[in-house]
Amino acid sequence: ILNVEQSPQSLHVQEGDSTNFTCSFPSSNFYALHWYRWETAKSPEALFVMTLNGDEKKKGRISATLNTKEGYSYLYIKGSQPEDSATYLCAFKGYGGATNKLIFGTGTLLAVQP
Amino acid sequence: EPEVTQTPSHQVTQMGQEVILRCVPISNHLYFYWYRQILGQKVEFLVSFYNNEISEKSEIFDDQFSVERPDGSNFTLKIRSTKLEDSAMYFCASSEDSPGDTQYFGPGTRLTVL
Repeated sequence: ILNVEQSPQSLHVQEGDSTNFTCSFPSSNFYALHWYRWETAKSPEALFVMTLNGDEKKKGRISATLNTKEGYSYLYIKGSQPEDSATYLCAFKGYGGATNKLIFGTGTLLAVQP
Repeated sequence: EPEVTQTPSHQVTQMGQEVILRCVPISNHLYFYWYRQILGQKVEFLVSFYNNEISEKSEIFDDQFSVERPDGSNFTLKIRSTKLEDSAMYFCASSEDSPGDTQYFGPGTRLTVL
């Protein structure tokens, strides 16, 4: 059974703080790692799709790194703002077969206090 | 920006009734998916659909469930005889044309089975 874990489960930070959280996933049969940002009552928003070991991607104040050999990815938010408050989901896609299914982690709920 | 839409946003039904959840994927996308999230649990894959047929389904997706693309724009999930444990948020997603592509999610339909 493929397991994707995220930590911490929740995080409370002050506006301006930088923060990071972790996604761990199976290191075998890796194809891609997806990050999503999900605000309540809205569609999960795609942030990054990462495929290569050592990948680093950036979107504004949010960046992510990928280590496929050890099976983890970090998401960083620099200078958190209240509008960054959301659940951040990672999802693993394995290699092989006619499958595009994503296997999700539990998510990290970020609350940024003004 | 194109987006995936879902209707209704909330559906309440009696146990044993049939429900149809509707989705309009992004127009040039070729792969379509349904996922669900039971409250407090991970988002889990149900089914993927490509070229007018199911390409993969999970163990959850039993004979009670079916999917259809009745015309060029809609993608539906039918639950034939709902059970209490079917209560969840159901997400539709679509992706362009290759396995590693970003999956774009709709805002979800919250299904409550009484």
